[in-house]
Amino acid sequence: AQKVTQAQTEISVVEKEDVTLDCVYETRDTTYYLFWYKQPPSGELVFLIRRNSFDEQNEISGRYSWNFQKSTSSFNFTITASQVVDSAVYFCALSPHGGGSNYKLTFGKGTLLTVNP
Amino acid sequence: DTGVSQNPRHKITKRGQNVTFRCDPISEHNRLYWYRQTLGQGPEFLTYFQNEAQLEKSRLLSDRFSAERPKGSFSTLEIQRTEQGDSAMYLCASSLLAAYQETQYFGPGTRLLVL
Repeated sequence: AQKVTQAQTEISVVEKEDVTLDCVYETRDTTYYLFWYKQPPSGELVFLIRRNSFDEQNEISGRYSWNFQKSTSSFNFTITASQVVDSAVYFCALSPHGGGSNYKLTFGKGTLLTVNP
Repeated sequence: DTGVSQNPRHKITKRGQNVTFRCDPISEHNRLYWYRQTLGQGPEFLTYFQNEAQLEKSRLLSDRFSAERPKGSFSTLEIQRTEQGDSAMYLCASSLLAAYQETQYFGPGTRLLVL
């Protein structure tokens, strides 16, 4: 069974602060995908990143960066110089990889990020 | 390129009534997923289609729930004899499975309230 844990239920920061959202996962699969999605108050889940389990290279996209560490089963997400528009619930998710199988996503419970002006 | 659309966006119904939701995926996507999200939780998988074939259903999907994807295009999710516990956000996602890789793109969801 797959499991994703986001231990931080809520985080509140002041604009321009850096913030890291933690994600720890469990899976018996040798290959898998990891994702981050953003859910603003409107409710729509917005895709941010997909990472294959065999690619441990960290990634940076503008103010966003992701740190994948297979040894600790973690896939953390950092927002640099946070802005009010970053306020949302952020979900980490895990899916199987390979074959024609069901690539269903297993989500964590999410972290509510509030960025105050 | 338009995204995933869902209708209606909101639905209020009385317990015991039937409801139907519609999802229109991104046009070239061959896979379509339904998820359910309750307050304070992450989305949970309900079922998925590859083209018109429904390939897996979660144990969350009781026999009051049925989903279809005729002709591999739009999909409908019907709930019969609704119960208050069915109140949730129902999310649809679509993807293009290619070379064993896919990314699911979500619609805005249908928020259901059962009174």
